[in-house]
Amino acid sequence: GIQVEQSPPDLILQEGANSTLRCNFSDSVNNLQWFHQNPWGQLINLFYIPSGTKQNGRLSATTVATERYSLLYISSSQTTDSGVYFCAVDGYSGGYQKVTFGIGTKLQVIP
Amino acid sequence: DTAVSQTPKYLVTQMGNDKSIKCEQNLGHDTMYWYKQDSKKFLKIMFSYNNKELIINETVPNRFSPKSPDKAHLNLHINSLELGDSAVYFCASSQRGAGPEQYFGPGTRLTVT
Repeated sequence: GIQVEQSPPDLILQEGANSTLRCNFSDSVNNLQWFHQNPWGQLINLFYIPSGTKQNGRLSATTVATERYSLLYISSSQTTDSGVYFCAVDGYSGGYQKVTFGIGTKLQVIP
Repeated sequence: DTAVSQTPKYLVTQMGNDKSIKCEQNLGHDTMYWYKQDSKKFLKIMFSYNNKELIINETVPNRFSPKSPDKAHLNLHINSLELGDSAVYFCASSQRGAGPEQYFGPGTRLTVT
């Protein structure tokens, strides 16, 4: 099946710092999403980005489908950005369409 | 106006029992999903279902069965619960063929004792 690797696994930032999270995937995919799971466990959809670049406030994402990676940029980080960031890809695996998540990047933003 | 809701939020039960978790979405989506998140935060899809097909992840034991009374609901029924079933279960929905972003419910924390 499709393999999804995220890096780094853990990240500690000082409030106000910028960071880049990476998602590599092993095969062609139809869709790619970035999610944020906050410390209360809620999963929030950040971006649906199978290719190209999107921006939403302090967050932006770029997917280069031909090179099988996506990047999530967080600028001017805030403590509310803390949590786990997941990349999820939607592609064919074992003959049917399947969503596969990476193991996530755990981000802690300290004041 | 919650988009994807799940009940209950917490469920504590004993080994061997049968339990159900309910999921409802009011987004008009045609596809619903169940995910399991283990203690290490790893998310794994269990099922995806629309009114045409049920896709089952091959690693899911047949003690787990999704039941959909209508397009807006996908309940998860679990027979003969085991300790290893303890996890957080998330329901999600999307509209296939129209930029299928997935929207998640708040999760149900299942503890099997």
